[in-house]
Amino acid sequence: EMVMTQSPATLSVSPGERVTLSCRASQSVRGHLAWYQHKPGQAPRLLIYGASTRATGIPDRFSGSGSGTEFTLTINSLQSEDFAVYYCQQYNNWPPVTFGQGTRLEIK
Amino acid sequence: QVQLQESGPGLVRPSETLSLTCSVSGVSVNPFYWSWLRQSPGKRLEWLGYISHISYRDYTKYDPSLNSRLTISIDTSNNQFSLRLTSVTAADTAVYYCARHPTGIQPAGYFDYWGQGIQVTVSS
Repeated sequence: EMVMTQSPATLSVSPGERVTLSCRASQSVRGHLAWYQHKPGQAPRLLIYGASTRATGIPDRFSGSGSGTEFTLTINSLQSEDFAVYYCQQYNNWPPVTFGQGTRLEIK
Repeated sequence: QVQLQESGPGLVRPSETLSLTCSVSGVSVNPFYWSWLRQSPGKRLEWLGYISHISYRDYTKYDPSLNSRLTISIDTSNNQFSLRLTSVTAADTAVYYCARHPTGIQPAGYFDYWGQGIQVTVSS
C-alpha cells in the first residue's frame, strides 16, 4: 500500500515568512501529486495538482515541486488566511488514492 | 460556481445503514466522476469510492475494504449522488466528504471541488 508521509506535523511561523512543507511517498508516484488546504468547517481547497500546477484561482505565492517520491509545497510571504492544515495526496494508478497525515501551519 | 453540500443523519446506530446525499449546484453531475471520502478522528483522509454517469450508464468503483458494505448511486434528475454504508460500527464514525474529480480525456485522480463535510457518529 502506498504511504504518504508529511513533515513536519506542525509548523509555527510568522506572517510574511516563507515556509516549505514536505511530502514523501513510499514508492514513486511520478508527478501524480496534489496539495490541499483545509480550514476547520470549510471544504478542502485544491492548491496544486500534477506536483507543480496551481489550481484555478490559487495565488502565485503557492508553489509545488518534486517528482517520484519527494515533494514540497512552498508558500512565500505567508498571509493570515494561509494558516490551515495542508494535505498531500497521490493519485498514481488510481484508484485508490492516498493522503498524507497533514501539516498544521500555525501562527507563531 | 460549483458547490457541493452533504446531508444526512448525524447519528446512526451500530449495525444500521448510513445514508448520505451530496447535492451539487453550479454544474451538472453528468459526465463528471464524483467521490466520497471520510476522515475518522486522528486518522488520514480515506477515499471510499466513486461514481460517474456517462452515456446512460453508471460506473462505480469502491475501496476493497468497504466493497461489500458500500453502494454509491447517482440521481441525474436531482443533480445529486448518494452513499449507502451498511452494518456500520463505531469505526465508521467520521467526517464524510463528497468531492468532484476534474474531467478530461480521462478523469483525474485528484479533487477540484469538495463539500464542507458532515460529521457522522455511530453510537447507540
